[in-house]
Amino acid sequence: GQQLNQSPQSMFIQEGEDVSMNCTSSSIFNTWLWYKQEPGEGPVLLIALYKAGELTSNGRLTAQFGITRKDSFLNISASIPSDVGIYFCAGPPLGTYKYIFGTGTRLKVLA
Amino acid sequence: DAGVTQSPTHLIKTRGQQVTLRCSPKSGHDTVSWYQQALGQGPQFIFQYYEEEERQRGNFPDRFSGHQFPNYSSELNVNALLLGDSALYLCASSLDQAVRNTIYFGEGSWLTVV
Repeated sequence: GQQLNQSPQSMFIQEGEDVSMNCTSSSIFNTWLWYKQEPGEGPVLLIALYKAGELTSNGRLTAQFGITRKDSFLNISASIPSDVGIYFCAGPPLGTYKYIFGTGTRLKVLA
Repeated sequence: DAGVTQSPTHLIKTRGQQVTLRCSPKSGHDTVSWYQQALGQGPQFIFQYYEEEERQRGNFPDRFSGHQFPNYSSELNVNALLLGDSALYLCASSLDQAVRNTIYFGEGSWLTVV
């Protein structure tokens, strides 16, 4: 199925470090969503972006809607052990109701 | 404010059998979408229901069907189960509006086909 390109695929970082991940699409989106998923659970919405250039924060998380409308970025500052999980970007291609998901970034935080 | 609820949480079925999964959307939401998530992958769109009709369908065979009830709850049915249907099935709800659409997921139903 169709998926967004998300990188990096996985990250091992030390507690306290900052994390950056991004997501790119071949087509324009008018919404970008970022989710976190932990083992055995459904994805939990972290941040929603609705406008090109928009920068939105949720605690230590900051996400940006790329100016080209084909990419988005998520930053996590001062990571902590509970940040461990898989982070997914998602967005609906224009004119559709379905959401396309990225391949996920697997984050592991070493205490 | 109840979030998206799904049932059952886990189930095991035999190849060839049929399964029905259920979903109640978040309070105030009128649209339900179903996604399949295979191990190690992102969710894949199956279909979306709005006003009790299938509004859009992803690349899934006709063995996958659904229904939405007047109270906005929904069911996903899968017939003639294959081993490859083993996955986490996620229900997502949203409010149908022109802008600022956001989808919220339930905890999912783990289906194992043996």
